[in-house]
Amino acid sequence: QVQLVQSGAEVKKPGASVKVSCKASGYTFTGYYMHWVRQAPGQGLEWMGRINPNSGGTNYAQKFQGRVTMTRDTSISTAYMELSRLRSDDTAVYYCARGPLMGLRPLDYWGQGTLVTVSS
Amino acid sequence: SYVLTQPPSVSVAPGQTARITCGGNNIGSKSVHWYQQKPGQAPVLVVYDDSDRPSGIPERFSGSNSGNTATLTISRVEAGDEADYYCQVWDSSSDHLVVFGGGTKLTVL
Repeated sequence: QVQLVQSGAEVKKPGASVKVSCKASGYTFTGYYMHWVRQAPGQGLEWMGRINPNSGGTNYAQKFQGRVTMTRDTSISTAYMELSRLRSDDTAVYYCARGPLMGLRPLDYWGQGTLVTVSS
Repeated sequence: SYVLTQPPSVSVAPGQTARITCGGNNIGSKSVHWYQQKPGQAPVLVVYDDSDRPSGIPERFSGSNSGNTATLTISRVEAGDEADYYCQVWDSSSDHLVVFGGGTKLTVL
C-alpha cells in the first residue's frame, strides 16, 4: 500500500532553516510528482510547490521562490523540502502529497504532516 | 491566479443531505477534486475529476460541476462526516499550479 512517512516535529528560531523529509513506499517513487502543502494553525491548505523525482525538476509557488528548495534522493525514495529564513508566520503543518506526472489528477496520497514551529 | 470560493461553514442534521459549493470562474471547464480533513489528520481524497470516488469512499459522497460552481454532495450525513472540506483544481496558467478553496467546515447538528 502507498505510504508517505514524514519526519518529526521541529522547533526553529526566526531566521533559521528547516528541512522536512518524506519517505515514499508502496509505489514507484519516480513515477509521480511529490507536492508540498502547508497549513497554518486554524487556516486552509496552501500549495508550496512540487518536484519531479525522476528529473529533479521543480515548480515553486511565487510566494516561496527564493526561500524554498525541494530535492529528492531516489536511492531511498525520499523527498525533501527545505524552507529558509523562517518567520513566525511559517509556523504550520507541512504535508507532502503524491501527484500525477501527467494530466490533472488529484493529490491522492498524503503524508501524516510535520509541525514546524518558529519561535524565539 | 485562479480563485476558488467556498462557504466557511455548512450545518446539517444527521440523515439529511449536505451540499458544499466551490465557486470559480468557468470552473465547469476544469476538473475538481475534493478532500476531507478531520481535526489533527491529513486531508483525504473523497471525490476526484468532479464526480468519481476513490476506492473505499462511500457512495454517499458525490460531486457535480457546471458553469461557475462545483458541488460536493453528502447524502444521509453521519456524525463521522463532520470535517473540513476543500475543493482543488489545477491552474496551469500561473505559477500556482495547485489551487485550493478556502475550506468549508461541515457541522453535523
